[in-house]
Amino acid sequence: DGGITQSPKYLFRKEGQNVTLSCEQNLNHDAMYWYRQDPGQGLRLIYYSQIVNDFQKGDIAEGYSVSREKKESFPLTVTSAQKNPTAFYLCASSPRPGTGIGEKLFFGSGTQLSVL
Amino acid sequence: GESVGLHLPTLSVQEGDNSIINCAYSNSASDYFIWYKQESGKGPQFIIDIRSNMDKRQGQRVTVLLNKTVKHLSLQIAATQPGDSAVYFCAENMDTGFQKLVFGTGTRLLVSP
Repeated sequence: DGGITQSPKYLFRKEGQNVTLSCEQNLNHDAMYWYRQDPGQGLRLIYYSQIVNDFQKGDIAEGYSVSREKKESFPLTVTSAQKNPTAFYLCASSPRPGTGIGEKLFFGSGTQLSVL
Repeated sequence: GESVGLHLPTLSVQEGDNSIINCAYSNSASDYFIWYKQESGKGPQFIIDIRSNMDKRQGQRVTVLLNKTVKHLSLQIAATQPGDSAVYFCAENMDTGFQKLVFGTGTRLLVSP
């Protein structure tokens, strides 16, 4: 059963705490992405990775960090520097551009992060 | 970017009606567009896409129209069903050579039985 798995579904963060959101894909996709979604708003890009061991900042990277040590995994850490972390976080992946498969993103089911 | 805060534009229709959801995109150089459907608490699901060298594309019960002159995209849903109730997002690809989508703020579709 191929797809993108995000965990946990719900996560609570205390003041000053770093938390890590998991994202795993078994679609053999090269590119992976993290988006943040606030209520009633569109998705904003946090970080993206085109290939293993490489990643770039998106539009709202401050207060977040990522790693891409394996093709299948792209964890997102929400650091204590992110002062307004409450949001719905979405991970996505896509095949290598130009493969002809299609360039659309495939999304996970999301993690709702809340501050205690 | 544009923000509508907590109040998404909402389209209310009756079951069986046709729905048209509109989207204005920002970059005349965008070459690829996608519509996604998002149900509450879930990730977005792909509906249909279109490249900038086309002005219309049809899927099952859905049609996307692209008007590059006015930078406008629309999603038409035929014979709307209660299961179509969701938030619909358009997205544009603003980077050539790499898929980096920019999403609109979304439209909520409410379908009454």
